[in-house]
Amino acid sequence: EAGVAQSPRYKIIEKRQSVAFWCNPISGHATLYWYQQILGQGPKLLIQFQNNGVVDDSQLPKDRFSAERLKGVDSTLKIQPAKLEDSAVYLCASTVPGQGHEQFFGPGTRLTVL
Amino acid sequence: GEDVEQSLFLSVREGDSSVINCTYTDSSSTYLYWYKQEPGAGLQLLTYIFSNMDMKQDQRLTVLLNKKDKHLSLRIADTQTGDSAIYFCARGGYSTLTFGKGTMLLVSP
Repeated sequence: EAGVAQSPRYKIIEKRQSVAFWCNPISGHATLYWYQQILGQGPKLLIQFQNNGVVDDSQLPKDRFSAERLKGVDSTLKIQPAKLEDSAVYLCASTVPGQGHEQFFGPGTRLTVL
Repeated sequence: GEDVEQSLFLSVREGDSSVINCTYTDSSSTYLYWYKQEPGAGLQLLTYIFSNMDMKQDQRLTVLLNKKDKHLSLRIADTQTGDSAIYFCARGGYSTLTFGKGTMLLVSP
């Protein structure tokens, strides 16, 4: 079984530029999460989807961050415009709702904002 | 203070046992987890314990849960150099996870 796929693995941009990350969850996993992991800290939830609907986006900075999962499978997370403090690893995770509580994580995208 | 707290660093010698500790404030979670993160990699679930259990053993890993003190520990027996990584404690269940800041485990030969 393939794991959670994310791309790109690394991205370097200048502040005020835009950037997008992509995630493809494990096949059949209806619940998808985006986490932000700042260096030296644990991951913090940005947004949770179930199929193509948003379950929790209370921690998403909506003035600059957006996420979508239009067909209920893969998802994109966008930052526009980026700030220096957005430098972090962005992790995607997925799970099967109602059947499992274990979240499976992708390798992450490391974003550096200069 | 933080919801989930861990000590930041632990250094052990190869072959010794490692004990990583975690405390939490919110006791409403269904499960408590230990994740491992190697450099440049995502998080790998090591083990978890249901909140009404006291102990769980899985090969070299032993998880102890003290609900009264809201304290969780992970013991790694016969620690190997390949166990060097950051270990995250997390609480959650059938929803989002709340993580600690991670404990860096360094295993020296």
